[in-house]
Amino acid sequence: EPEVTQTPSHQVTQMGQEVILRCVPISNHLYFYWYRQILGQKVEFLVSFYNNEISEKSEIFDDQFSVERPDGSNFTLKIRSTKLEDSAMYFCASSGQLQLAKNIQYFGAGTRLSVL
Amino acid sequence: DAKTTQPNSMESNEEEPVHLPCNHSTISGTDYIHWYRQLPSQGPEYVIHGLTSNVNNRMASLAIAEDRKSSTLILHRATLRDAAVYYCILRDDNYGQNFVFGPGTRLSVLP
Repeated sequence: EPEVTQTPSHQVTQMGQEVILRCVPISNHLYFYWYRQILGQKVEFLVSFYNNEISEKSEIFDDQFSVERPDGSNFTLKIRSTKLEDSAMYFCASSGQLQLAKNIQYFGAGTRLSVL
Repeated sequence: DAKTTQPNSMESNEEEPVHLPCNHSTISGTDYIHWYRQLPSQGPEYVIHGLTSNVNNRMASLAIAEDRKSSTLILHRATLRDAAVYYCILRDDNYGQNFVFGPGTRLSVLP
């Protein structure tokens, strides 16, 4: 069964450093997403991406964050200058469904980001 | 997104059926009811979705009340692997692309 893969599974970084989290969505999907989950809290939406541009973003997704689809397969989330509060699980998801109400999102296993 | 309420936690015995309730009294006529679950240390996983009629798939069944103000996710025989947080989410074409996850119901399965 096709799946969304994320690398690395765990990323440790120093505060102020840049990190890039990588995702390979399901190959024929058109919509891509990043969510995060701070330990013990709810899953929160960060950004959605379609047709090579951001289609929606949350208040969390400020100027420190960016997303890119550098080639036909990878989808990346970059955090320019990490803060302690960026420590969380980051989940990538993808969807092939055009109609939003029926949109099924397939999630990766996540990258745990630890900012020291 | 329209609001849903779920119990914080539930317990079940292994190999017994589990009924996970969700209230959505403000549901609109075009809202689809989606269920996802999150196993420990995993990303959310799609379970099932429906609009008005009851739905079955290999993972679960979804029973939707006639007035659509509530729904129940049914796991027919709980296994230890079904221990997870279960999320009930309403989706409509006007809500945007993101899912809004609430706290969900934490299901414990006892051997």
